[in-house]
Amino acid sequence: DIQMTQSPSSLSASVGDRVTITCRASQSISTYLNWYQQKPGKAPKLLIYAASSLQSGVPSRFSGSGSGTDFTLTISGLQPEDFAAYYCQQSYSIPWTFGQGTRVEIK
Amino acid sequence: QVQLQESGPGPVKPSETLSLTCIVSGGSVSSRSYYWSWIRQPPGKGLEWIGYIFYSGTTSYNPSLKSRVTISMDTSKNQFSLNVISVTAADTAVYYCARVPVVAVLYGYFFDHWGQGTLVTVSS
Repeated sequence: DIQMTQSPSSLSASVGDRVTITCRASQSISTYLNWYQQKPGKAPKLLIYAASSLQSGVPSRFSGSGSGTDFTLTISGLQPEDFAAYYCQQSYSIPWTFGQGTRVEIK
Repeated sequence: QVQLQESGPGPVKPSETLSLTCIVSGGSVSSRSYYWSWIRQPPGKGLEWIGYIFYSGTTSYNPSLKSRVTISMDTSKNQFSLNVISVTAADTAVYYCARVPVVAVLYGYFFDHWGQGTLVTVSS
């Protein structure tokens, strides 16, 4: 299985901050990397697919980059509604696997 | 707009079978454009992909669960189902159904629409 490791596991930030979350794959996965946002008690929501493609309806302050083994999710100008958990997911090979999550909390 | 809704019988006893159904509205499980998938999340933990089914009946499962899991489809009811046999407390989780667009060559596979999830507790 491909292991996905996110860092940090949690972070504290203020409204308006630029936030970067990193996801590292245990082997190269090209750009087959997706990002999700999950709020408490809710299903995950797709933000970014194929490493850098913004899902329809997702605000442009969310962006993704990377290829191979190293990827980043950036939130440019954190908004109150962005405080949530974020997960990366690879689809390069079965089984599709997720990172352990990064919790973004209010400072 | 496609919507997915999980349903199930509630608590399950150890060693019994967990059965869930995902009802799809606003779209068809018979579409050649999507896989239909199950994902689970133990309380307070991360996400685990369970498997998917295609309109043709083709399935793919997470090897960690493959010996205990079956995903099936009922096109007449526009729904797909998950069975997990011989459950233990480790199978306690929120179970989600989700849709996966089949655009692999360009973009890989991702979950673009999710059900709201249903908590299944395994307890005697």
